Order: sequence, then C-alpha cells, then structure tokens
Amino acid sequence: DARVTQTPRHKVTEMGQEVTMRCQPILGHNTVFWYRQTMMQGLELLAYFRNRAPLDDSGMPKDRFSAEMPDATLATLKIQPSEPRDSAVYFCASGFMNPPRGNTGELFFGEGSRLTVL
Amino acid sequence: AQRVTQPEKLLSVFKGAPVELKCNYSYSGSPELFWYVQYSRQRLQLLLRHISRESIKGFTADLNKGETSFHLKKPFAQEEDSAMYYCALSAGGTSYGKLTFGQGTILTVHP
Repeated sequence: DARVTQTPRHKVTEMGQEVTMRCQPILGHNTVFWYRQTMMQGLELLAYFRNRAPLDDSGMPKDRFSAEMPDATLATLKIQPSEPRDSAVYFCASGFMNPPRGNTGELFFGEGSRLTVL
Repeated sequence: AQRVTQPEKLLSVFKGAPVELKCNYSYSGSPELFWYVQYSRQRLQLLLRHISRESIKGFTADLNKGETSFHLKKPFAQEEDSAMYYCALSAGGTSYGKLTFGQGTILTVHP
C-alpha cells in the first residue's frame, strides 16, 4: 500500500530556529505539492514540483521558506528562521499528472507535519 | 489567478437531512474541479471530481460554469459524513495541475 510519508509528524521549536520537513512521495508520481493548513486560510499552496523541477512557489514567503527536491524520493521544506506565525500543519501530496492532454490525477496526501513555533 | 471560495466554515445538520456544501471558483480557463475530504484521524483524500460525474458515498456535485460553482450535495446526511471538506480547482495551460484549495467546511451531522 503505497503512501506519502512525512517527517517529523510533530515539531515544537523556538522562534528563530531552523525547521526542516521531509516528504517521500509515492514512487512513480511526478508531481509533488507542499500545502500549509490553518483554520483561517484552509489549505494554502506553498510550492509544487513536476519531475523535480519547481513550477510555482509564489505562495511561499521567500525570505524564510525554501523548498527543494534533491532527488525523486525526497522533497524538503525548510523554514529559517521560524516564527510563531508559521505554526500550522504542513502537508505534502504527490500525484501523477501528464500534461497537456491528461486530466489532473488524484493527489495522495501525507499525514502532515504539525509545527509549533514558540 | 485561480481562487476557490467556500463561504461556510461550519455546517451542522441532523441525520437524514439534506446537505449542501457550497463552492465557488474564479478561473479564466477551463477548470477541473474536485472535492477532497478529511475524516477524523485520516488523511485528506479525494471524494469526487467533476469529470467523472459519479456519485460517491451518496454525494454528487455538478459544475455550473455560468455561476462558477461546484456545490457538493447529499440528499440524506449520515453521521459518518462528519468531516472537513475541501473544494479544489486544477488549472490548465502553463499552470497545468496547480491544485488550489478552498478554506474548507467542517460538516457535523448530528444524530
């Protein structure tokens, strides 16, 4: 049963510290998304990749956030320095999408990383 | 730019009552629309997509391009339908596959 795996599941840190969240997408999926979930905003798209290339990171605060895919089995989201307003659940999701003719494939979500910045 | 709006953060109904979760979108192209659901202690998962035109767990959703809406409906709600529901839009063109979600609606079905 293939699943998206995220680590850590929970992270409590102090303001100013660096936080790195990791995601292992499902093997064979070519598109990876990072979302942030908050009560106020719902699911906000931070960044997404296709075939490891970043396509859109306009939803991400560039001064402190960075997202990378060093290889096909790992996506990372880094916050440096972290701030209390970054407290949220961060989701990674992967899917197979085949532009330009294919329909958007189903997204499979990880369990999320709950971040608390004190 | 693409945008999805779910006007209700919370929705409560009684078991057996009809339920409608509203979703409106803004997108200049031809969108693909989805509903995702997150049950308690479970992962977010796909519920249905407009291109399939199918009913899942008794839920249906019709894409209304004139009103730019994709409301989710069920004629008789069940307690197990209680969950967080997200409407999502997938872009085309140069933003192919960019999936944008709404703010979500928490549905509570009372016994």
